[in-house]
Amino acid sequence: DAGVTQSPTHLIKTRGQQVTLRCSPKSGHDTVSWYQQALGQGPQFIFQYYEEEERQRGNFPDRFSGHQYPNYSSELNVNALLLGDSALYLCASSFPPGNTIYFGEGSWLTVV
Amino acid sequence: GQQLNQSPQSMFIQEGEDVSMNCTSSSIFNTWLWYKQDPGEGPVLLIALYKAGELTSNGRLTAQFGITRKDSFLNISASIPSDVGIYFCAGSPNAGGTSYGKLTFGQGTILTVHP
Repeated sequence: DAGVTQSPTHLIKTRGQQVTLRCSPKSGHDTVSWYQQALGQGPQFIFQYYEEEERQRGNFPDRFSGHQYPNYSSELNVNALLLGDSALYLCASSFPPGNTIYFGEGSWLTVV
Repeated sequence: GQQLNQSPQSMFIQEGEDVSMNCTSSSIFNTWLWYKQDPGEGPVLLIALYKAGELTSNGRLTAQFGITRKDSFLNISASIPSDVGIYFCAGSPNAGGTSYGKLTFGQGTILTVHP
């Protein structure tokens, strides 16, 4: 049983560009959350998707957007990249009730 | 963004020693979680706590949900080299059995174990 898978693992983008990160949740999980983890910090909640809709959002600008597909996979899109967007982006999936949250290994984004 | 206050920031201990770390918040959380993150990996859940005052163990790890619901503690007994990593606390406003929703994380405790 595959866990949470994310792609790409690493990528480098130029300031002002746009990026799309992808996540496949653990089998049977229907809820996907995205987190940003800057170096030396704990993860920060970006948003959560359930039934293809954004259910909850953290304190991130509109440059951060997402999507969830009918198969529960999800994308995180970041527009107009800033140097400060350089971070590890983590996807987490869960299935209520009694829900353990599983994290993927993350996508390392470097903005130059 | 908001983070929990986690301490200590780092610990250097000898193999076999016990470890204690804690997490405090100005807000009430109804679920507390403890994660371990190894380099290049995503966080892995160690212990989940759902009730104020609850004490839960997972092998050599023991965690407690503070009575005020504003703090939590993690203890590791008889540390071994593979305990090395970054430990994070996380809180959720939602109760166990429902979707966790937004998790708020601490800054992490870096644990180094000397053989």
